[in-house]
Amino acid sequence: DGGITQSPKYLFRKEGQNVTLSCEQNLNHDAMYWYRQDPGQGLRLIYYSQIVNDFQKGDIAEGYSVSREKKESFPLTVTSAQKNPTAFYLCASSTAGLPYEQYFGPGTRLTVT
Amino acid sequence: AQSVTQPDIHITVSEGASLELRCNYSYGATPYLFWYVQSPGQGLQLLLKYFSGDTLVQGIKGFEAEFKRSQSSFNLRKPSVHWSDAAEYFCAVGAEGSQGNLIFGKGTKLSVKP
Repeated sequence: DGGITQSPKYLFRKEGQNVTLSCEQNLNHDAMYWYRQDPGQGLRLIYYSQIVNDFQKGDIAEGYSVSREKKESFPLTVTSAQKNPTAFYLCASSTAGLPYEQYFGPGTRLTVT
Repeated sequence: AQSVTQPDIHITVSEGASLELRCNYSYGATPYLFWYVQSPGQGLQLLLKYFSGDTLVQGIKGFEAEFKRSQSSFNLRKPSVHWSDAAEYFCAVGAEGSQGNLIFGKGTKLSVKP
């Protein structure tokens, strides 16, 4: 079945450590996205990529980094510079053109203590 | 600036009752509109979408939504709610020239009373 996988489901890290969240899709989508979700805040865009080897900052990119070396993979690194990293992280993908409907993975809950 | 507003943070309905969740958007270009549903601790699932044509669109799980350009609204409806519909619902809007980015509302949490 085609879809988006995120691993792990739950992730625990100590403050000051970098951590990488995995996102893989087999939908043959060109575009991929990372969102952060906090209670009552909706979804906030961290980074997005419309093509391999290219990506752009979203609304809250500070303290995060990404890479897009393969079409099917878009890992997100939460660095120690991110002041409040505990959150639910969602990865999504879409075709590059209209109408931009996005398909989401199951999410990773990151807890940093 | 583009924005999506879901005025109701939390709604409670009785099982079997009808449901309407509100969504208003502010977007200069022709909008593409979506409703997503999220169960606790899960990803978002696409319920329905509007691109063009008939302003009343049907989605999965018995949901429908109506696009009203004059009111900048895209309200989600269901004639009879089931207990399994309890979840959080997000309205989102995109447009040509937005580089594929969607703007999401902050969500409406739906509780269902037995």
